[in-house]
Amino acid sequence: ETGVTQSPTHLIKTRGQQVTLRCSSQSGHNTVSWYQQALGQGPQFIFQYYREEENGRGNFPPRFSGLQFPNYSSELNVNALELDDSALYLCASSLALGSNYGYTFGSGTRLTVV
Amino acid sequence: DQQVKQNSPSLSVQEGRISILNCDYTNSMFDYFLWYKKYPAEGPTFLISISSIKDKNEDGRFTVFLNKSAKHLSLHIVPSQPGDSAVYFCAASSLSGGTSYGKLTFGQGTILTVHP
Repeated sequence: ETGVTQSPTHLIKTRGQQVTLRCSSQSGHNTVSWYQQALGQGPQFIFQYYREEENGRGNFPPRFSGLQFPNYSSELNVNALELDDSALYLCASSLALGSNYGYTFGSGTRLTVV
Repeated sequence: DQQVKQNSPSLSVQEGRISILNCDYTNSMFDYFLWYKKYPAEGPTFLISISSIKDKNEDGRFTVFLNKSAKHLSLHIVPSQPGDSAVYFCAASSLSGGTSYGKLTFGQGTILTVHP
């Protein structure tokens, strides 16, 4: 059973550019959430997808958008990158909606905006 | 507005002794709480959870206590081992619906160091 895999592991972008981060959910999981973890902080909820539909969004601007595909893998897109977007982006998958099903996290993508 | 707070940025404990990590929350809608452990360059790993209908949950060396009236939870690790050294996050959610359903709200984390 494979876990959650994220790609790329690291990348560096210039302010104003756009970036796409990818996540393959654990086998059998239909729910994917994305979190942003700034240095020294806990992860912050960006949004969640359940069966290809967005199901809940945190306090992030519209330039943060996402997709979930029929195989339940997911993408996080960030437009017009700002320096403050530099963070670790974590993807988590779950068997279904509801925290009691548990979340399996990937190792994250470290994004640096210069 | 920090709805989940871990007020101790770090904790240092001797091997074999008890580690106690604390967490406070403010949102009364939270009814499900989780602890995660995170090593550098890895994602958070689930440790233990507790529902608000309980005040204690135990799993091996790990016990979580919930005090709903004080909006406080703690994680006890007994005995502590050097391999427990990591960042520990508490997280809160709601199983009963609302804006916190299915979403984890994390604290800032506590760095635990267990010395041999």
